Amino acid sequence: NAGVMQNPRHLVRRRGQEARLRCSPMKGHSHVYWYRQLPEEGLKFMVYLQKENIIDESGMPKERFSAEFPKEGPSILRIQQVVRGDSAAYFCASSPPGQEDYGYTFGSGTRLTVV
Amino acid sequence: DQQVKQNSPSLSVQEGRISILNCDYTNSMFDYFLWYKKYPAEGPTFLISISSIKDKNEDGRFTVFLNKSAKHLSLHIVPSQPGDSAVYFCAAKGHSGTYKYIFGTGTRLKVLA
Repeated sequence: NAGVMQNPRHLVRRRGQEARLRCSPMKGHSHVYWYRQLPEEGLKFMVYLQKENIIDESGMPKERFSAEFPKEGPSILRIQQVVRGDSAAYFCASSPPGQEDYGYTFGSGTRLTVV
Repeated sequence: DQQVKQNSPSLSVQEGRISILNCDYTNSMFDYFLWYKKYPAEGPTFLISISSIKDKNEDGRFTVFLNKSAKHLSLHIVPSQPGDSAVYFCAAKGHSGTYKYIFGTGTRLKVLA
């Protein structure tokens, strides 16, 4: 039973390009969360998705960032027109329904570097 | 507004001794607390949790203590081992059924052999 799979592990983008980060939750987990860790900071909540639904995107910047979790396939975090300040580690986590009290399983993260 | 604070960015402990990592929170509505451990270039891994109805939870070498009146929790690792060297994050959330964990900034633990 594979854990939460994120790819790519490392992503380098020039300013103005688009970044697409993928996350496949653990088998049986239908809830996906994206967190961002800026250098020397803790993890900050970005968005919570269930299949085909965005439940809470209150942590997402209003512009350039979007997320989806389609019926088939991985969850995607998309950052358009990246800027240097987007450089961070982006972690995806998943949980089964009703198990939020016991924490999430995190993936290994995607480290985005904007040059 | 940092609702979950880990005021010690780093801690060094001798192998075999006790490691105590501290975490303070400001939101009295938090009901569930977790500790995660993170190695470089990896994602956080769940370590131990506690709910507000308890003041202590133990799992092997790891014990979490919760003092609700002080809004403080701590993680004790006894005995500490070199493999425990990692960054430890505490996280908190509201009542059962809520999902948004708020993380502290982490404490880097180094266990010296």
